[in-house]
Amino acid sequence: DTAVSQTPKYLVTQMGNDKSIKCEQNLGHDTMYWYKQDSKKFLKIMFSYNNKELIINETVPNRFSPKSPDKAHLNLHINSLELGDSAVYFCAAEARGRGTEAFFGQGTRLTVV
Amino acid sequence: AQTVTQSQPEMSVQEAETVTLSCTYDTSESDYYLFWYKQPPSRQMILVIRQEAYKQQNATENRFSVNFQKAAKSFSLKISDSQLGDAAMYFCAYRSAFGGGADGLTFGKGTHLIIQP
Repeated sequence: DTAVSQTPKYLVTQMGNDKSIKCEQNLGHDTMYWYKQDSKKFLKIMFSYNNKELIINETVPNRFSPKSPDKAHLNLHINSLELGDSAVYFCAAEARGRGTEAFFGQGTRLTVV
Repeated sequence: AQTVTQSQPEMSVQEAETVTLSCTYDTSESDYYLFWYKQPPSRQMILVIRQEAYKQQNATENRFSVNFQKAAKSFSLKISDSQLGDAAMYFCAYRSAFGGGADGLTFGKGTHLIIQP
């Protein structure tokens, strides 16, 4: 059983479209994240979310929004896609506390054409 | 804000030899965690090793060990007996212990490790 799973693995779409990436974790962890990895492999956090708070990286455009229907899911919605949104998006889950690690999904490669 | 610097964009090592990947970080916090993640061509992010800042003892995991120098803010990864399967991008990452680490991980830009057979 995959601890953190994302769908789809690959997503090709046109500029201006709205798309979603789904993320599910079966670890029972209380915190989930979205990270963006750009073409130079640089990873940067976009959102941190648990059932009490959402922390948004100030550099993330408001076209991006996380939606959490329940504790096991954190989906990423992107409106009005732009060419610069092309990247690999990773979902991660973590149990906040001492000595914990973040478990990552396999990533979604988004290509905007 | 914290920053993580990996000064080696690419490293190459002969199979069975030892290689050390460098990482420095900048923080004003006293309590935090440091990680090394591996990203093979499959794209999966895999935890290699982690270090808690309040522990003076360097972490080890089989062939992987770290040299954690808190005063120097340095966290290097040593891979012994390098194997072909070690070829990957390696990312150093920082997470604050304050606020439950709600800010998530801050990553370095990565080091591409090549293993020469």
